[in-house]
Amino acid sequence: DARVTQTPRHKVTEMGQEVTMRCQPILGHNTVFWYRQTMMQGLELLAYFRNRAPLDDSGMPKDRFSAEMPDATLATLKIQPSEPRDSAVYFCASGSRPSGVSSYEQYFGPGTRLTVT
Amino acid sequence: GIQVEQSPPDLILQEGANSTLRCNFSDSVNNLQWFHQNPWGQLINLFYIPSGTKQNGRLSATTVATERYSLLYISSSQTTDSGVYFCAVDPTGGFKTIFGAGTRLFVKA
Repeated sequence: DARVTQTPRHKVTEMGQEVTMRCQPILGHNTVFWYRQTMMQGLELLAYFRNRAPLDDSGMPKDRFSAEMPDATLATLKIQPSEPRDSAVYFCASGSRPSGVSSYEQYFGPGTRLTVT
Repeated sequence: GIQVEQSPPDLILQEGANSTLRCNFSDSVNNLQWFHQNPWGQLINLFYIPSGTKQNGRLSATTVATERYSLLYISSSQTTDSGVYFCAVDPTGGFKTIFGAGTRLFVKA
């Protein structure tokens, strides 16, 4: 049963601490997306990678957020230093491209619920 | 940028009723997907439907790309259909998925 996995599922941390969230995409998917969901802003795309290369991270606050894909089976999203306004659910999705089309069908992981106090 | 509007924002149904959810978008798109976020927060892929009609059990979806809208039909609703339904689009010429605000559905037993 192919699925996207994310760890940790829940994280509570104090302001100023570093947070690292991890994502394992579905095997064979070459595109990974990071989203943030809040009540106020809804679902926002933070960054996405194709073949491990970052294609767009314009949705991410650059001063404290960083996203990497060290290998095909692992994507990471780091926040340093964390702030209370970063509290949200962070989703990773991986994408497959149906034959003959240029866009991707996305499959979401269960999310990491982050609380920064 | 492209605007994605979903209606209605909230919907309450009696179990067994049918419903139609709508997604309007303001510009041409390469892709449109429908997702269901269940009460536990999981986002479930329902349809990848940039155009045409698809059916999966009690759910079906139709996208009319030339008129910039998509519809999600739920027939014989069940309590397990409760949650939030999102439509998400990839604008033509770009690759930044934009989600609508969602339709929150509650199905009463």
